[in-house]
Amino acid sequence: NAGVTQTPKFQVLKTGQSMTLQCAQDMNHEYMSWYRQDPGMGLRLIHYSVGAGITDQGEVPNGYNVSRSTTEDFPLRLLSAAPSQTSVYFCASSTTGRKEFFGPGTRLTVL
Amino acid sequence: GQQLNQSPQSMFIQEGEDVSMNCTSSSIFNTWLWYKQDPGEGPVLLIALYKAGELTSNGRLTAQFGITRKDSFLNISASIPSDVGIYFCAGHRSRGGANNLFFGTGTRLTVIP
Repeated sequence: NAGVTQTPKFQVLKTGQSMTLQCAQDMNHEYMSWYRQDPGMGLRLIHYSVGAGITDQGEVPNGYNVSRSTTEDFPLRLLSAAPSQTSVYFCASSTTGRKEFFGPGTRLTVL
Repeated sequence: GQQLNQSPQSMFIQEGEDVSMNCTSSSIFNTWLWYKQDPGEGPVLLIALYKAGELTSNGRLTAQFGITRKDSFLNISASIPSDVGIYFCAGHRSRGGANNLFFGTGTRLTVIP
């Protein structure tokens, strides 16, 4: 199993650009989540999904969209990138929403 | 949002020493988890705790779920250089199937050979 995979690993955007961060898991997990990690703030939940077709907001959802058309994939969309979205983004999956398995992360810089 | 206070923020210890770190919250959690993050990688789950008072070990790591359900502790015995990294606590609270997992701010551990 590859576990949780994320692409790209690094990305630089200009303010106002849009992009999609990809996340896939091959563990047949129902739960998938997106977190952002900023210095001194730990990980904060952006959006999550409890199954295909179901998504909900986390702690910091503004500026991000998600969709869950399949069990395996959970892309995160930045509609109009802002410097405040410079961060490291982690995708995670789990069977129950508790024991999350994390991907390797995407380091995003918005200029 | 929910704030988990993790301490200490950083530790510098000699190889072979024992390490203790803790996590406290103003709210009750049903599950406590401890993760380790290496540079440039995602967090990796070390230990999961499911009931108050539970004491669980994973090799040289031991973690406890506090009796009040508002805190948790992680101990590392006989530290080695590969223990270097950032340790995060996380608390989970179920609410109608919602995924409510909150993370502490991390303890950065440096082990001096």
